[in-house]
Amino acid sequence: GNSVTQMEGPVTLSEEAFLTINCTYTATGYPSLFWYVQYPGEGLQLLLKATKADDKGSNKGFEATYRKETTSFHLEKGSVQVSDSAVYFCALRSGSARQLTFGSGTQLTVLP
Amino acid sequence: NAGVTQTPKFRILKIGQSMTLQCTQDMNHNYMYWYRQDPGMGLKLIYYSVGAGITDKGEVPNGYNVSRSTTEDFPLRLELAAPSQTSVYFCASSYVRGEDGDTQYFGPGTRLTVL
Repeated sequence: GNSVTQMEGPVTLSEEAFLTINCTYTATGYPSLFWYVQYPGEGLQLLLKATKADDKGSNKGFEATYRKETTSFHLEKGSVQVSDSAVYFCALRSGSARQLTFGSGTQLTVLP
Repeated sequence: NAGVTQTPKFRILKIGQSMTLQCTQDMNHNYMYWYRQDPGMGLKLIYYSVGAGITDKGEVPNGYNVSRSTTEDFPLRLELAAPSQTSVYFCASSYVRGEDGDTQYFGPGTRLTVL
């Protein structure tokens, strides 16, 4: 079956630090890959996505590249801000199914 | 355009009680989903629907029921609530076609406690 493994949290960084959150997956076929973000007290929002190998998704300074050879979709940001403090979820959708398979989430706290 | 709305935001139930969590979307999406999020865990799919009148089980359907009589509404019913159903419940919707077809839009969630 499908599965997503995310870097264990929580992660605490200082403002302007570099961020990497690792995500690897197991799936049949060629999945679409997503990063969702959940701010405190809110529902999940799509941050970025990639639908085929070597695609790079980007949004709000965050980037992730779909690496089929390593089955990875690591999230990066060059300079984090306090406002980036949230829980980040890696997810995949495989084949004709529309439902998502989520990782366990990584809590990020950015200190001023 | 309100997106996906859920009611109530919070609820405390006693063991054995029943309740319905409401979910409505105004984006004319054909797909709708119910997930639960347990502390420190990712979201798990409970039920989903591909259109009015069509529903199917997800990963963790036991103890829940759903119906989809309209495109807009997708209520989740808990019968005989148990402490194991204490969780945060998220409703989501998506459109099957086009560049945005992979994107699921989430409601703000319902925090349920069963005592």
